[in-house]
This record gives sequence, C-alpha cells and structure tokens, in this order.
Amino acid sequence: EAEVAQSPRYKITEKSQAVAFWCDPISGHATLYWYRQILGQGPELLVQFQDESVVDDSQLPKDRFSAERLKGVDSTLKIQPAELGDSAMYLCASQGGVSVSEQYFGPGTRLTVT
Amino acid sequence: KQEVTQIPAALSVPEGENLVLNCSFTDSAIYNLQWFRQDPGKGLTSLLLIQSSQREQTSGRLNASLDKSSGRSTLYIAASQPGDSATYLCAVQNFNKFYFGSGTKLNVKP
Repeated sequence: EAEVAQSPRYKITEKSQAVAFWCDPISGHATLYWYRQILGQGPELLVQFQDESVVDDSQLPKDRFSAERLKGVDSTLKIQPAELGDSAMYLCASQGGVSVSEQYFGPGTRLTVT
Repeated sequence: KQEVTQIPAALSVPEGENLVLNCSFTDSAIYNLQWFRQDPGKGLTSLLLIQSSQREQTSGRLNASLDKSSGRSTLYIAASQPGDSATYLCAVQNFNKFYFGSGTKLNVKP
C-alpha cells in the first residue's frame, strides 16, 4: 500500500540553528499539506501545495519558515533560525488520486529545539 | 473561521464496551468530514471519510455519522478492545482547507 514518506523521524537541534524536513507524498497526489502539531492539540496547517504552487501559506511564519515543492512531487520545509517554541510534531499529508477527498498522513518528524 | 470541538477530551472504558466519540463544528458548509486515529508519537491514520452528501460510513466495528444541519458527527466503536486505545481526531474540510479538533484520548482497559 502506498504511503507518505517523511524524514527524519526525529530531530534535535539547538536554538538558532537551521533545520529541514522532507516529505514524499503518495504517487499521483497533487495536493500536499504541511501541518504542525503541538502535544495535546490537533494539527494546524502551515502550508498547502497544489502541484508546485502554494495554495495557502497564511499560517506559515514566513520570517523563519520556508517551504518548496519544486517539481510538484516531494517537498521540503525549512526553519531558520529554530526557536524553542518550534518544538512540535511536523506532519505531511497528501490528497488526490482515486479517493480525491481523503487525506493520507506520513509518520511525522518530532522536532526538539534545545 | 471553522471551529471543531471534540468532547470528551479523554475517555476510559472497560474492554468490550460500546462507545461514542463526539465531534462538533460551527460552519455547516463542509465538503467532507474525516475521522483519524493517532497512536503516541505517530502520524494520523485515516479511519472513515464521510462526504457532505452522506449520513454515515461503516468500517468493521466503526460507524461514523454526520448531521450537517446540527454541526455534529459521532464515531461509534463497537465491542472496544485494548488495541483501540489511541487518540481519535476529527477533521472537517471547508473548500480546500482542513480544520482539526483536539482529539479524544481513549483508553480501553483489559
């Protein structure tokens, strides 16, 4: 069964350092989402792509966060510089294909900023 | 802005009990509603998707219902098992955006 891949699974970084996360959606899924989930809360959307175009990045802290999906396939989310408050789970999801409406999530990247 | 609420925040039941998890939303103009399961430290696993034109979906011991007019959905779990212990989240889609509740943490005691 096709899955959304994410790496790394865990990342520990020091405050002010740069960090990057990678996501490979299910093949053929045009829509890709990056979410941030704080412990005990639901995921909150950071950025949404349709193919290589950004559809919604209204909640992305653009002074330190950036995201790209250059060829409309895999995607990278970067934080520079990282802050203590960025410690969270970063989740990638994709949507499309036969079941157009259903979102499929990757395993997530647990970020700890020290 | 869409607000999604899940009550209760936590639930503990003995094995074998039937249970209902609740999800409410403020804007009834939704495209669909999706229920997820999340194990500690893991990503979200899709359980059921209900399109806005549907009233319920079933998968095994799970049954999800949707009442758009009242802004409510329920997830019914029959004959609960310890392996059902996890956090259950609902998400509603308005246009191209998903809004999540904070989840209900379920503990099924052997």
